[in-house]
Amino acid sequence: QVQLQESGPGLVKPSETLSLTCTVSGGSISSYYWSWIRQPPGKGLEWIGYIYYSGSTNYNPSLKSRVTISLDTSKNQFSLKLSSVTAADTAVYYCAKAGITIFGVVTSYYMDVWGKGTTVTVSS
Amino acid sequence: QSVLTQPPSASGTPGQRVTISCSGSSSNIGSNTVNWYQQLPGTAPKLLMYRNNQRPSGVPDRFSGSKSGTSASLAISGLQSEDEADYYCAAWDDSLNGYVFGTGTKVTVL
Repeated sequence: QVQLQESGPGLVKPSETLSLTCTVSGGSISSYYWSWIRQPPGKGLEWIGYIYYSGSTNYNPSLKSRVTISLDTSKNQFSLKLSSVTAADTAVYYCAKAGITIFGVVTSYYMDVWGKGTTVTVSS
Repeated sequence: QSVLTQPPSASGTPGQRVTISCSGSSSNIGSNTVNWYQQLPGTAPKLLMYRNNQRPSGVPDRFSGSKSGTSASLAISGLQSEDEADYYCAAWDDSLNGYVFGTGTKVTVL
């Protein structure tokens, strides 16, 4: 059974870069789509983006200019970098395993395994 | 930010049936499959329903999903106290080329 665990600093200063790592255990990262999602305090979920095991990426258009998701297959990890952070980036950040299936013109994308989440606060 | 609209809250007594709606557009629900996530208080979201009406292993059959046009719904039959949680719909959006979540619905068991 695949399990995911987020790690990284819990406090980041405004204008700096937020960096998080997700460690995958119980399975290989060399398959599936690996995603990041966040949830500001008291608010709903926001998809940040994914990386495919081949290295291709797809990001939320609203965050695209600041986001980089990368993969380290040797460590079975994938990472998130979000630059130029502000208080609005304060959230619980989740990593997740996802799959995409294309049925003709219909896209089925969903995240079936989630990490427990890590809280990141942006403050000076 | 959310492009899928859900009612903020829903409630019922134990044993009742509760339905949560999710309204989208032709570029998301109208074109692609819908998923539902359950988030119990203080925990990470959990996949509850995928591809409109498919339950992952371990999800009770009290939960059912459906989709029609640009809307979807999640029904909980025989409501139980442990169903008290936030529920989010989600779908791929072809216009945004990204994944969008609903606004979320808090289900309360009275």
